[in-house]
Amino acid sequence: AQSVAQPEDQVNVAEGNPLTVKCTYSVSGNPYLFWYVQYPNRGLQFLLKYITGDNLVKGSYGFEAEFNKSQTSFHLKKPSALVSDSALYFCAVRSDSGNTPLVFGKGTRLSVIA
Amino acid sequence: GAVVSQHPSRVICKSGTSVKIECRSLDFQATTMFWYRQFPKQSLMLMATSNEGSKATYEQGVEKDKFLINHASLTLSTLTVTSAHPEDSSFYICSARAEVGRYFQPQHFGDGTRLSIL
Repeated sequence: AQSVAQPEDQVNVAEGNPLTVKCTYSVSGNPYLFWYVQYPNRGLQFLLKYITGDNLVKGSYGFEAEFNKSQTSFHLKKPSALVSDSALYFCAVRSDSGNTPLVFGKGTRLSVIA
Repeated sequence: GAVVSQHPSRVICKSGTSVKIECRSLDFQATTMFWYRQFPKQSLMLMATSNEGSKATYEQGVEKDKFLINHASLTLSTLTVTSAHPEDSSFYICSARAEVGRYFQPQHFGDGTRLSIL
């Protein structure tokens, strides 16, 4: 079975400071990992993915994430937060074996304070 | 690229009405489409997976006669909430993924439909 844990419901950070949104996963086989962002009353926007290769993945809007196989983690990071980054962030995982749907974490609300 | 269009964005209707929601992939062929339901301050709950030309696969606890899914073409899937009741009020989001076998492709999402049943 596949599962994703986002241990923080809410993350608060001051504008200009680095931010981290945590994600750990469980999957049989190799993981395909994704981060999405959701703004109010909107669908999810794709930020970045890890499939294979370099453990540090760079995505949209200056976000990046680091795949750590030993810790089964895929934390989302940004060196300098913007107020406009405030949104709901979802981590998702899928196994590399078969046509399985994405499994989402419960989401982390990021608030960037000016 | 990879745009998914969902329509309507908001529906308000009386109890007992059937409501159809459309999901279109605008610039790619979506072999697989997914329908999710999202409750306030909660994650996305997968309702069903549909592959073009075949019957949808529903998740446990989702009534297939209540939530009719049709994936008639590689660019269009519809979700019909039949005889909707207030407890069906929710935010419904569709998602599409291109090409069989390329499972590393991300799913792309529509902007969702806010359904309110009075």
